[in-house]
Amino acid sequence: SQQGEEDPQALSIQEGENATMNCSYKTSINNLQWYRQNSGRGLVHLILIRSNEREKHSGRLRVTLDTSKKSSSLLITASRAADTASYFCATDKSNGGSTLGRLYFGRGTQLTVWP
Amino acid sequence: NAGVTQTPKFQVLKTGQSMTLQCAQDMNHEYMSWYRQDPGMGLRLIHYSVGAGITDQGEVPNGYNVSRSTTEDFPLRLLSAAPSQTSVYFCASSDRGLQYGAGELFFGEGSRLTVL
Repeated sequence: SQQGEEDPQALSIQEGENATMNCSYKTSINNLQWYRQNSGRGLVHLILIRSNEREKHSGRLRVTLDTSKKSSSLLITASRAADTASYFCATDKSNGGSTLGRLYFGRGTQLTVWP
Repeated sequence: NAGVTQTPKFQVLKTGQSMTLQCAQDMNHEYMSWYRQDPGMGLRLIHYSVGAGITDQGEVPNGYNVSRSTTEDFPLRLLSAAPSQTSVYFCASSDRGLQYGAGELFFGEGSRLTVL
C-alpha cells in the first residue's frame, strides 16, 4: 500500500492565491520529499525536509512536517499558471538505520492555477 | 549534463512479448530505481539497486527483471508482457544520499508502454 497519501486529490485556484497540499504517511521516516510533475514529463525534486526539522522554505515554497501526526504540508504562495502540475510527497521508511535510498510516493495532488 | 536518459519513449507490445527498457545516468550515482506510474495509483517502486552488482525488489517486482553490471546503466526487462503492465515507467537515480535517509531522486522523462 502507499506509504504517503496526498490531500486533496485535485485543487483548482486563481493566479495569485496560495495553494496548500497535505501529505499523510504511515510509518516513521528519516525524511520527506516533495516532487512536481508537469503533464507528460518526469518528476522534479522540489524540497526535502528531515524528520528533525519542522519547517523549510525554498522560494515560494514552504513545507512543514509534524512527525507526531505523521503529516506534512506544502504551501505554494502567490501561485502562477506555470505552477499547474501534479505534486507528490515521498517518504522513506526509518528502521533505525539506512533506508538504502528507497522512496515511496503518494498518489499526488493535481493543482490547476487559472490565469 | 544529460542526467537520466530512458529509451524508448514509447513502445507497443503484444501479450507474451519480451522487451527491455533502457536507463542510463551520467551523474555517477550509486542508487538507481524503476517506478511505474498508473492513473490514480501514484508511483510504485519496482526494483532498485544500490550499486553495480546489487539489486533488490520493490513493491511490485513480479514480471520484471533487472541487472546492474555498471554504475551507469540499469535496464528493466519485461519477461512476458501482460496488459496489466501497460503503464508509464520511470527510472530514477540518486547519490548515496543522507547518512540516514533517501537522497534526492533525479528522474528520466519516462517510457510509455502499451501491451495489447
